[in-house]
Formats: sequence, structure tokens, C-alpha cells
Amino acid sequence: SAVISQKPSRDICQRGTSLTIQCQVDSQVTMMFWYRQQPGQSLTLIATANQGSEATYESGFVIDKFPISRPNLTFSTLTVSNMSPEDSSIYLCSVGGKTGEAFFGQGTRLTVV
Amino acid sequence: KQEVTQIPAALSVPEGENLVLNCSFTDSAIYNLQWFRQDPGKGLTSLLLIQSSQREQTSGRLNASLDKSSGRSTLYIAASQPGDSATYLCAVGYNQGGKLIFGQGTELSVKP
Repeated sequence: SAVISQKPSRDICQRGTSLTIQCQVDSQVTMMFWYRQQPGQSLTLIATANQGSEATYESGFVIDKFPISRPNLTFSTLTVSNMSPEDSSIYLCSVGGKTGEAFFGQGTRLTVV
Repeated sequence: KQEVTQIPAALSVPEGENLVLNCSFTDSAIYNLQWFRQDPGKGLTSLLLIQSSQREQTSGRLNASLDKSSGRSTLYIAASQPGDSATYLCAVGYNQGGKLIFGQGTELSVKP
């Protein structure tokens, strides 16, 4: 299994500002995933982050809005840029284990006012 | 398009009942399927992982089955308890990488 730590656990931000979310894994992993869960909705994949290359974004998500860094095999950050109230969501980091099982951090609850 | 659907969206049962949550997926060429539990405002806890070659997995009072040909999975919870109250999410993986497609979830409430 993998233990994933996310920071911050929650934040309240002003519209127009940016927030960077950190994800730390206790083991080296090739790919890390960032998901968004809007209020009352299920999880939607934002992007896949590979170490040493640019992240791959899903349809509807762009790098200018959600820049991602992946400096090493245990760490990644997701920035939510120029925030609006519509960005209020839970953002979750995930990694895959050797058996294909997915593990998640506790999430970052973001409220934009 | 690969989609995952969960039925019912919400379920309320008295304590002690056995219950079944349903998950269906449109593309049967799956790599694996995973059931998660999510408590309000929290992250996801993995309950059971079923590989595409498997038919079922069991953990305690939980049993998950997989029928690839029909594109369905069920999560069976025996002797439900108030502590089982949470949202249960079904997620399908189509490769080893770990990327998942999620259903909308079933919100379960177990009344004492």
C-alpha cells in the first residue's frame, strides 16, 4: 500500500488568487493523479503527472488553470490559478500500487469566496 | 465513451439488513475495478479491488463480484451497521497505470 499526505487539508481563498496543493507519497511511484470532486459530484480526473515530463491533462482541464509540478518520484503539486467560486471542490491526489490498486490522499477542501 | 453508473443513488436501511449496491460500466475491456468508501468531506478509503480475471473478492462483511461480460459489479454488505453509513464509489481502471473512471456513488444511511 501507499501512504499519501496532502497539504493543506482545507483552505478558504479569495477569488482571483491561486492555491498550491502538495502531495507527498511514502514510496517512489511513476505516475501520480490529480482528481477534482465538485460538491455533490463524483471524482473527475484532472491530469496525470509523470516525473520528468509535462503532465497530461484530461478534456476540459488546461495547464494555465491547473499547472502541475512533479520534481521527483515521491512529490507533486497542483496549483489552482485565478480562482473563482466554481473552483470550490475537494482536490485529491492518487497513486497506483503494484497490483493496480489506487490509493488516495485525504484531499484538500477548497472554498473560494 | 467509457462511463460508470451506480444504482441506487441513495439508500436508507435499518441496522442489520443485508444490502447490495450496483455498478455498471459501458466498456467491458477493464483492467480492474475498485470499490471505495468516502465519509463526508473526507478522502477515499479502498475497500476491495477486483482484477479483470477475478469474479469476486471478500473482506469481512463485504463481498464484491465482477461480471465483465455484462459490464456489472455488485458490492454486498452483510449485517449492515450505522458505522457503514457513507458514500460508496465504484471505479473502473482500463490499464495498469492507475487512472480511474468513477461512478456517481451510492449514499448509504444505516439507521440504528
